[in-house]
Amino acid sequence: NAGVMQNPRHLVRRRGQEARLRCSPMKGHSHVYWYRQLPEEGLKFMVYLQKENIIDESGMPKERFSAEFPKEGPSILRIQQVVRGDSAAYFCASSDRGYNEQYFGPGTRLTVT
Amino acid sequence: GESVGLHLPTLSVQEGDNSIINCAYSNSASDYFIWYKQESGKGPQFIIDIRSNMDKRQGQRVTVLLNKTVKHLSLQIAATQPGDSAVYFCAENIEGQGGKLIFGQGTELSVKP
Repeated sequence: NAGVMQNPRHLVRRRGQEARLRCSPMKGHSHVYWYRQLPEEGLKFMVYLQKENIIDESGMPKERFSAEFPKEGPSILRIQQVVRGDSAAYFCASSDRGYNEQYFGPGTRLTVT
Repeated sequence: GESVGLHLPTLSVQEGDNSIINCAYSNSASDYFIWYKQESGKGPQFIIDIRSNMDKRQGQRVTVLLNKTVKHLSLQIAATQPGDSAVYFCAENIEGQGGKLIFGQGTELSVKP
């Protein structure tokens, strides 16, 4: 049973470009969560999605960031017009239902130059 | 601010000793807690969880204790091994706030051979 998959593992973007991060949950999991980790810090919740629905986006910046989890395919975290402050590790986690253990992927390390 | 914090940012132990990592939380509505281990460059790895209707839970070489009176959580690792060296995070889920986890800052465990 494959774990949570994320790609790319490393992503370099220039300021102003767009970043797209992908997450495929564990088989049988329909709940996806995105977290961001700045260097030397803990993880910060960004958004919680189920298939085709955003359940909680209270941790998402108001502008430039969006997330989706379509009926088919991976969940996508999209960052438009990236700035240097967006440089971080972005982790995706999945669970089989809300309020249950979450399993994390290896993360995407975004570097904005 | 964060409602989950850690008492010690770093912990150094000898191989074979027991390790205790502590975590304080401030939200009395938190009713589900998870400990994660994160090695450098990797995603958080689920270790053990506990719900608020319990005060102790044991796994393989690990025990989590929950003291709701003082809002304190601890992770005990028996016979610590070099492979246990990592950063350990506690995370909480607040009842009624869906599945999102709130993470503490982390404790770095260093095991000396």
